[in-house]
Amino acid sequence: GAGVSQTPSNKVTEKGKYVELRCDPISGHTALYWYRQSLGQGPEFLIYFQGTGAADDSGLPNDRFFAVRPEGSVSTLKIQRTERGDSAVYLCASSLDSQNIQYFGAGTRLSVL
Amino acid sequence: AQSVTQLDSQVPVFEEAPVELRCNYSSSVSVYLFWYVQYPNQGLQLLLKYLSGSTLVKGINGFEAEFNKSQTSFHLRKPSVHISDTAEYFCAVSEIGGYSTLTFGKGTMLLVSP
Repeated sequence: GAGVSQTPSNKVTEKGKYVELRCDPISGHTALYWYRQSLGQGPEFLIYFQGTGAADDSGLPNDRFFAVRPEGSVSTLKIQRTERGDSAVYLCASSLDSQNIQYFGAGTRLSVL
Repeated sequence: AQSVTQLDSQVPVFEEAPVELRCNYSSSVSVYLFWYVQYPNQGLQLLLKYLSGSTLVKGINGFEAEFNKSQTSFHLRKPSVHISDTAEYFCAVSEIGGYSTLTFGKGTMLLVSP
């Protein structure tokens, strides 16, 4: 079946603008995760959803970042008033079971000019 | 809280040579252990995982890893590498007991040359 899909694959924006990044998880996966990967670093946790609710948003760096998953499937990560330091690859993952095997999308590369 | 240390940021190796990528972790609770591979401009692909049972875990593409609880290590090995193994490798842990986030190391770039 289809894997985790993320759109767009690349996003270039100007400082101060608003962006939305979309994640379409594997069908039937109830858990969804967002990570951010800066250059030369491993992915860092941002937020995870169990169904429609954010079960843990402790990784969001500040209140400019917000994510939703209104119907328990597709999720959108929203960044307001983007800053150059937000430039990174944003990865989405989903998982089915309690053994927490997460499957990753190809990511969205965000560049803030 | 957990942390993962990948001691080598880059490992150069010749084709058909063996390789070991090192991973050590720190955690106050029991964890699952994972290795992911990331090819250029692609997402993370699961290479192998340790959940329980035998401490020697075999994964895809001829890779294997051994869980050593006393040394809190989970080193990745391959007896003979190919050019196509050139990629970034990430070790990760997650807390046992339900949905839990992954904590990653900084990654090791494996560079295989002919």
